[in-house]
Amino acid sequence: EAQVTQNPRYLITVTGKKLTVTCSQNMNHEYMSWYRQDPGLGLRQIYYSMNVEVTDKGDVPEGYKVSRKEKRNFPLILESPSPNQTSLYFCASSSSNQVGQAYEQYFGPGTRLTVT
Amino acid sequence: GQNIDQPTEMTATEGAIVQINCTYQTSGFNGLFWYQQHAGEAPTFLSYNVLDGLEEKGRFSSFLSRSKGYSYLLLKELQMKDSASYLCAVRDLDSSYKLIFGSGTRLLVRP
Repeated sequence: EAQVTQNPRYLITVTGKKLTVTCSQNMNHEYMSWYRQDPGLGLRQIYYSMNVEVTDKGDVPEGYKVSRKEKRNFPLILESPSPNQTSLYFCASSSSNQVGQAYEQYFGPGTRLTVT
Repeated sequence: GQNIDQPTEMTATEGAIVQINCTYQTSGFNGLFWYQQHAGEAPTFLSYNVLDGLEEKGRFSSFLSRSKGYSYLLLKELQMKDSASYLCAVRDLDSSYKLIFGSGTRLLVRP
């Protein structure tokens, strides 16, 4: 079954304790992305990756790191989480269309993170 | 700057037709997507428009006017399961991989 998986699904942590949210896709997609979703603000892109070892900042990258060492995996790292990073996080992947543009995105189930 | 506007909430009756509007002001335009998101779940892809006009897909249609910076999603023969949030997203011109999402429209379908 084609899917994007995220782990963990729920996480409560304390300020400053490093954490990693994993994301994996089995569709051989080139493009992967991380979003956060907050009430009234919609989905905001944190980082995206066009392929292995190629990443770029989205609209809200501060406080986050990513890596893309393998095509299927795109982990999100919070080196020193703070309460304002409490949010619902989605990973997404997509293939490219004929002109190299990211097309339909498949989203993971989400990770609800609470930082106290 | 980048700005995408959608109504916050809409209510409609089962069996009716509803139109959800999206207007955008972005530094560039390279395609517009609509996604559906049920409460507590991940967004799922509905439609994609890059040229002006109407794209029809079963009960759902999406329209785009690039000159007006305007799109709408049309849902026909509404069903209770269509109660969800509908997200409009514009793909950036400078980066083919960057999407800018609106805040979403929460649609409530009543019997």
